[in-house]
Amino acid sequence: EAGVAQSPRYKIIEKRQSVAFWCNPISGHATLYWYQQILGQGPKLLIQFQNNGVVDDSQLPKDRFSAERLKGVDSTLKIQPAKLEDSAVYLCASSLVHPSTDTQYFGPGTRLTVL
Amino acid sequence: QKEVEQNSGPLSVPEGAIASLNCTYSDRGSQSFFWYRQYSGKSPELIMSIYSNGDKEDGRFTAQLNKASQYVSLLIRDSQPSDSATYLCAVETGFQKLVFGTGTRLLVSP
Repeated sequence: EAGVAQSPRYKIIEKRQSVAFWCNPISGHATLYWYQQILGQGPKLLIQFQNNGVVDDSQLPKDRFSAERLKGVDSTLKIQPAKLEDSAVYLCASSLVHPSTDTQYFGPGTRLTVL
Repeated sequence: QKEVEQNSGPLSVPEGAIASLNCTYSDRGSQSFFWYRQYSGKSPELIMSIYSNGDKEDGRFTAQLNKASQYVSLLIRDSQPSDSATYLCAVETGFQKLVFGTGTRLLVSP
């Protein structure tokens, strides 16, 4: 079974530029998550989709971050404009349905450096 | 108060010893608790989940939950150098949302 795919793996941009990350979840997984992991910290949930609807985006900085999950499969996360403090690893995860009972599988992540 | 608290470590144990990792959480309504392992430069992977008070064993790993004390722990028996990693505690809070602690770095020396 293929795992969660993410691209790109690494990205370096200058502040105020825009960037987009892509995620393809495990086939059949209804729930998709985007996490931000700053060095030395645990993953922080940015947004959670169930199929193509948003379940939680309370910690998504909506003035600069946006995410979509068209057709309930792939997802993109965009940052525009980027700030220095956005430097982090962006992790995509997926689960069958419920995060409380179904295992979340993480992708390899995208390491973003904002200069 | 942070929602999920862990000692950042590092916790150093010799090979073959028992490693004890601890986590406290603030939401008394939480029902689901998880331990993830994260190797340096890699993504987290689930190693244990626990939902009821008491102990749950899986191979060399034992998760312990005490909801009254809002405390969850992970014991690793016969620790191996390959167990050296950061261990993340995650707690379900609110509506099907996981909150992660900052992780405890474990170092197992040969």
